[in-house]
Amino acid sequence: DTAVSQTPKYLVTQMGNDKSIKCEQNLGHDTMYWYKQDSKKFLKIMFSYNNKELIINETVPNRFSPKSPDKAHLNLHINSLELGDSAVYFCASSPVSERTIYFGEGSWLTVV
Amino acid sequence: EDQVTQSPEALRLQEGESSSLNCSYTVSGLRGLFWYRQDPGKGPEFLFTLYSAGEEKEKERLKATLTKKESFLHITAPKPEDSATYLCAANTNAGKSTFGDGTTLTVKP
Repeated sequence: DTAVSQTPKYLVTQMGNDKSIKCEQNLGHDTMYWYKQDSKKFLKIMFSYNNKELIINETVPNRFSPKSPDKAHLNLHINSLELGDSAVYFCASSPVSERTIYFGEGSWLTVV
Repeated sequence: EDQVTQSPEALRLQEGESSSLNCSYTVSGLRGLFWYRQDPGKGPEFLFTLYSAGEEKEKERLKATLTKKESFLHITAPKPEDSATYLCAANTNAGKSTFGDGTTLTVKP
């Protein structure tokens, strides 16, 4: 059973396109995240949701919009993709009380 | 601004050669210091949480320690399967986790 699953795993798309990455967790956690990992392996938080409510929104372009239809899902939509958006995007979740973060396998986005 | 710095950036060891990885942090209101292991093509996987200075945690060949300014991940007699990138993260009272940029460990047989 995959605890945090995200799709697609690989995505190659052209500049200017709009794309979405979906994420689901079956751990019953209240908090979900999107992280971006660049080519230098630096992992940086983008968004955090707690029970469908946005609680952390780092300095991320408005082209990135998270959507949480329920507390088990947090999707990431990206408009007007740019070359610099190429990275690995990790979805993650954690129980509020514990703060340990459980990561998905990552979605490799390449913008050409 | 919260900062987490890891060193060295890369570490190459012979099998059986013990060493330590460093994680220095400057954050407001540390709630927990986390260590993760990341294998190529995978998401980070939780290893340890340390909550207060002086605390130590062990798991197989790994031992994590914490002071008020830094954490160490000691690797005793490493094996090739310990090769991975090790990430530390500082979680604060504000609920945010700041990650270091990792140490990539390679253990040669």
